[in-house]
Amino acid sequence: KQEVTQIPAALSVPEGENLVLNCSFTDSAIYNLQWFRQDPGKGLTSLLLIQSSQREQTSGRLNASLDKSSGRSTLYIAASQPGDSATYLCATQSGTYKYIFGTGTRLKVLA
Amino acid sequence: KAGVTQTPRYLIKTRGQQVTLSCSPISGHRSVSWYQQTPGQGLQFLFEYFSETQRNKGNFPGRFSGRQFSNSRSEMNVSTLELGDSALYLCASSLAPPGLAGAEQFFGPGTRLTVL
Repeated sequence: KQEVTQIPAALSVPEGENLVLNCSFTDSAIYNLQWFRQDPGKGLTSLLLIQSSQREQTSGRLNASLDKSSGRSTLYIAASQPGDSATYLCATQSGTYKYIFGTGTRLKVLA
Repeated sequence: KAGVTQTPRYLIKTRGQQVTLSCSPISGHRSVSWYQQTPGQGLQFLFEYFSETQRNKGNFPGRFSGRQFSNSRSEMNVSTLELGDSALYLCASSLAPPGLAGAEQFFGPGTRLTVL
């Protein structure tokens, strides 16, 4: 059974810092891994999707990497801004077609 | 291009009632998934539909059901509501099913269900 863990659960950083969010999963037989952000009371916004055959994806200040063999993905945010404050979630899609989400990292970027 | 829309946005029901939630995917998307989000359990997968067929189901009781129409719109129904069903229900659509290019999920704003 796939389990997805995100560490840390919460993070507070000053504006301008580069930061890394971690996502670990127990079953490496995944089709892809997707990162999302969620603002309070809102739906999820897709950030990056990494197919199982890829190692990383980049979009603007965001870079996500995937290491299936170790069951890890990281989301790197460069030069953080107060607008980046949100909860960040990772999710895996596996061979059973189920989508399993992590518990999320609540990020606060201080001005 | 319009995003995923969900109606209604907010709903208040009492225990024992039933409720139907609606989701309209992004135009051209044929896969629709439903999730329940609560503070205690996080985001949990309910079911996924592709071309009107339920392809997978999460670990929820039979009170939770869904369907997808030929235009890819989907509905989710919860019967005999319980207090614990209070949650944010999210719908996501994608162009393709998992494992294929185009499987990136796009979420709607959700329906906030409160059961009294």
